[in-house]
Parts: sequence; structure tokens; C-alpha cells
Amino acid sequence: DAKTTQPPSMDCAEGRAANLPCNHSTISGNEYVYWYRQIHSQGPQYIIHGLKNNETNEMASLIITEDRKSSTLILPHATLRDTAVYYCIVRDPTGGSYIPTFGRGTSLIVHP
Amino acid sequence: GAGVSQSPSNKVTEKGKDVELRCDPISGHTALYWYRQRLGQGLEFLIYFQGNSAPDKSGLPSDRFSAERTGESVSTLTIQRTQQEDSAVYLCASSLYFGRLGGGNTEAFFGQGTRLTVV
Repeated sequence: DAKTTQPPSMDCAEGRAANLPCNHSTISGNEYVYWYRQIHSQGPQYIIHGLKNNETNEMASLIITEDRKSSTLILPHATLRDTAVYYCIVRDPTGGSYIPTFGRGTSLIVHP
Repeated sequence: GAGVSQSPSNKVTEKGKDVELRCDPISGHTALYWYRQRLGQGLEFLIYFQGNSAPDKSGLPSDRFSAERTGESVSTLTIQRTQQEDSAVYLCASSLYFGRLGGGNTEAFFGQGTRLTVV
């Protein structure tokens, strides 16, 4: 079972920031937070991951709370092509949860 | 190639027939995963390979499902005596083995999937 909880759907206006929340209250000390997205009819695409510190790359920013029980994926300037299902997963690559386990994700719709 | 390649991209088969799906992982990726995704549903883990270790088959739904992988190369997922409920997109992913790098530099890269339709 997925160890994360995400809202089933969200929408965002094009050009605005999209903030996608994820709760992972049972995360263990060695587990990382990973985000993937799946655009319609494609395989999931890796976006970003982090352990404790906030992370930023060319696609998005990841904000992890100090207690690590929740995180937010930020798409700073959403475009129509960002419409997809976004999956938040927790995973310990060196331990028992090394297999990425996906929940239902958040369906993000970016509208003009 | 640069990414994970799966073939065929689409497969229509008759109920009761066997099918074989192929996955070519990214070169150098020792970890390989198979998932199933039914229409409108999330990803369901099927099986995991890591190098020459025994595969983790805990997600296979029945004994009609099997998979093979030789070393760090191609993997095939076989479904025997297909049923209509087997209709789904079958996704393959590969990643670097966590033991080589440790930490979190082990993101999985997915192929485009094989859409299986059992009629």
C-alpha cells in the first residue's frame, strides 16, 4: 500500500504556480520523497526527490516540512503541458521499501 | 538507446492465448521493475529484478504471470492463458542499483508501456 496521501485532483491557471501537497506521516528516517508525473498515455516521468532539505531542479521545487511528515511539489510557472497525474512516493533505496509504490496520485489540470 | 524501450507498443490477443512482452532497460541499470496499470487506475507492482539475485515476485497476481531476465539485460513478461481482466498497460522501469551509490540517486526511468487488450 502507498504510504502517501494526495488530493485526487487540482487545477491551476497557466502561468501560475502549482502547489501539489503530499502527506507521508509514517515516513521513516531513511526514506526519501520522490515525485513522478504521468502525462496521458505515457510512462511515468521522474521529477525530483529529497530527504530532508528542500530541492530545486529545472522542472520543479520540493519543499519538505521539518518533521518530514508532508511535502509540496511546486511547479513555478505551470504550462498546459504540465497537465498530468502527479505521484508522490516514499522510498528507501537501501532498505525494505526500495520498490517504488504508487498510489492514485493527483490529477493536475492546467487551464488557459 | 537512451531510454527504456518496450515492445510491442500495442498488443491485441484472444482470450486464452499466451503473450510475451519485452523490456530493454537503460544500459548499466541493474534494477528492473514491471508494473501493470489498468484503465483509470494507479500503478500496480508486479516483479523486481536486481542483477543476478532472486527476483521479488511478490506482486504477480497469479501463476499465469511470469518474467525472466538474464543478467542486466532484456526482460520478458509472459502471461499465459490470457483473460480479459489482464487488459492493461504493462510498464517497465529500470534504475541504478542502490548499493552502488547509496542514498537517493536511484530514480526509476519508465518505458512507454505495452497496451495489452484481451478480446
